[in-house]
Amino acid sequence: EPEVTQTPSHQVTQMGQEVILRCVPISNHLYFYWYRQILGQKVEFLVSFYNNEISEKSEIFDDQFSVERPDGSNFTLKIRSTKLEDSAMYFCASEAGLAGPADTGELFFGEGSRLTVL
Amino acid sequence: QKEVEQDPGPLSVPEGAIVSLNCTYSNSAFQYFMWYRQYSRKGPELLMYTYSSGNKEDGRFTAQVDKSSKYISLFIRDSQPSDSATYLCAMSGTSGTYKYIFGTGTRLKVLA
Repeated sequence: EPEVTQTPSHQVTQMGQEVILRCVPISNHLYFYWYRQILGQKVEFLVSFYNNEISEKSEIFDDQFSVERPDGSNFTLKIRSTKLEDSAMYFCASEAGLAGPADTGELFFGEGSRLTVL
Repeated sequence: QKEVEQDPGPLSVPEGAIVSLNCTYSNSAFQYFMWYRQYSRKGPELLMYTYSSGNKEDGRFTAQVDKSSKYISLFIRDSQPSDSATYLCAMSGTSGTYKYIFGTGTRLKVLA
């Protein structure tokens, strides 16, 4: 069964360092998302990406964050200068986004990348 | 008022019980309603997906949507210890556009 894969599974970094989280969405999916979940809290939307550009972003997704799809398969989230409050589990998700009855709107999530900022 | 509200629990039930999980929402534009199950330190996995109002059944799971009341439910029949997880409701206005709003999740523990 196709799946979304994320790397690394866990990253520990010092405050102020840059971090890149990587995701390989399901092949042929058209919409890509990053969500985050601070320990014990709700899953929060960060950004959506379609047709090689950001479709929508939340207020959390400030200038310190960026996303790109450099090679048509990987989908990356970069945090330029990490803060303590960026510590969270970051989930990548993809959606088929097909028009018509085949479009279930189902988001497929990866296992997540745990980011710990010290 | 929060866009999506969900009782965080925890909810403890004996094995074999019927479990009822609920979410309320405020945005009448939501049309797609989903229930995800999340095991500890894992990504959410889709359990049920419903478009607009009505019921949907899949094995031991039944999802209900009442758009007039802005209320959705997930019922789990014959609950098993393996059902112990956090259950998240999620919803969006239109498929593929672009943002899914999640509830806080209800932590369920099924006791053997």
